[in-house]
Amino acid sequence: DAGVTQSPTHLIKTRGQQVTLRCSPKSGHDTVSWYQQALGQGPQFIFQYYEEEERQRGNFPDRFSGHQFPNYSSELNVNALLLGDSALYLCASTRISYEQYFGPGTRLTVT
Amino acid sequence: AQSVTQLDSQVPVFEEAPVELRCNYSSSVSVYLFWYVQYPNQGLQLLLKYLSGSTLVKGINGFEAEFNKSQTSFHLRKPSVHISDTAEYFCAVSLTGGGNKLTFGTGTQLKVEL
Repeated sequence: DAGVTQSPTHLIKTRGQQVTLRCSPKSGHDTVSWYQQALGQGPQFIFQYYEEEERQRGNFPDRFSGHQFPNYSSELNVNALLLGDSALYLCASTRISYEQYFGPGTRLTVT
Repeated sequence: AQSVTQLDSQVPVFEEAPVELRCNYSSSVSVYLFWYVQYPNQGLQLLLKYLSGSTLVKGINGFEAEFNKSQTSFHLRKPSVHISDTAEYFCAVSLTGGGNKLTFGTGTQLKVEL
């Protein structure tokens, strides 16, 4: 049983560019959450998707947007990248339970 | 809103010694509590969770935690650590009910030395 997978593993972008990160949830899971983990910090909640709708959102600007597909996979899009967007982006999935399973993350570096 | 405070950013300990990683939380409503571990260049793995019931919770890898409502604490303990326990440990809270967002502390780096 595959766990949560994320792609790509690493990514380098330039300020002002746009980026798309992808997540496939654990088999049987229908809810996907995204977190941003800056260096030396704990993960910060970005948003959560369920039934292809954004269900909860953290304190992130509109430059951060997402999407969930009918197969429950999800994308995180970030526009107009800033140096401060450099971080590890974690995806977590769950299904009507209390445990969120995390993927290995995508390391985004903005130069 | 909920918040989590992990008072110790780093905890050095010798192998086979006991360890306690401290976590305090703030919330005006009932919460669920979690401890996650993160090994270098990896995602987060759930160690244990408190939802309700017994305040002493046992998790994987010999870890346990005790929920103390009056002190709003959820400290993580292990009676004897191993080199392989070296990692970053995060305490987190969520509102009760399934699938709610997690609010994390800033983490505690546990370094086990020989």
